[in-house]
Amino acid sequence: QVQLVESGGGVVQPGGSLRLSCAASGFTFSSYGMHWVRQAPGKGLEWVAFIRYDGSNKYYADSVKGRFTISRDNSKNTLYLQMNSLRAEDTAVYYCAKTTKFDYWGQGTLVTVSS
Amino acid sequence: QPVLTQPPSSSASPGESARLTCTLPSDINVGTYNIYWYQQKPGSPPRYLLYYYSDSDKGQGSGVPSRFSGSKDASANTGILLISGLQSEDEADYYCMIWPSNAWVFGGGTKLTVL
Repeated sequence: QVQLVESGGGVVQPGGSLRLSCAASGFTFSSYGMHWVRQAPGKGLEWVAFIRYDGSNKYYADSVKGRFTISRDNSKNTLYLQMNSLRAEDTAVYYCAKTTKFDYWGQGTLVTVSS
Repeated sequence: QPVLTQPPSSSASPGESARLTCTLPSDINVGTYNIYWYQQKPGSPPRYLLYYYSDSDKGQGSGVPSRFSGSKDASANTGILLISGLQSEDEADYYCMIWPSNAWVFGGGTKLTVL
């Protein structure tokens, strides 16, 4: 069965960096595009970034463009999100999700940006 | 990015039907987009329910009961999620999503209460 397991969240100071990982199993990871989506405490869903199956194209929400980088290692079945210049408003649970229609989601990892 | 408008809350009784709406801005024609729907219960990640483009182009998520269905109201430029035979377990937040070009947009979500 499809499994997506995020890791790497934690508490970081404003201006700091963090790298999230999403380990995938139960499907052919290298055949599917992948997303990062976040949800601030008590708020709705916000799409963050998408990467094509082969890493050839990447797309970002305006709110993170220039600060976040999505990448993948198909040999390790792992998706990444490098987050730099973090701000308080980046505080959220970060989910990875499979394919353009978000048909499977991980459990999420909490990122807290606070001094 | 476009803003998808969902009523913050809705309620219905067990056994009844709930009709949740997702209104697109006037400069985007609902007829040209797949409308995707997700369910999220407290403390859990979102779950993919279905997508709807037309009666001949629609799809159900894995394991999603047929009492969840989608439709559109072109006159109101709105996507609709219909949940028939409401059960207490259907109490959750529901999000719509569209994919306009190289970005993905979620609605603000509707909290459905099963009275």
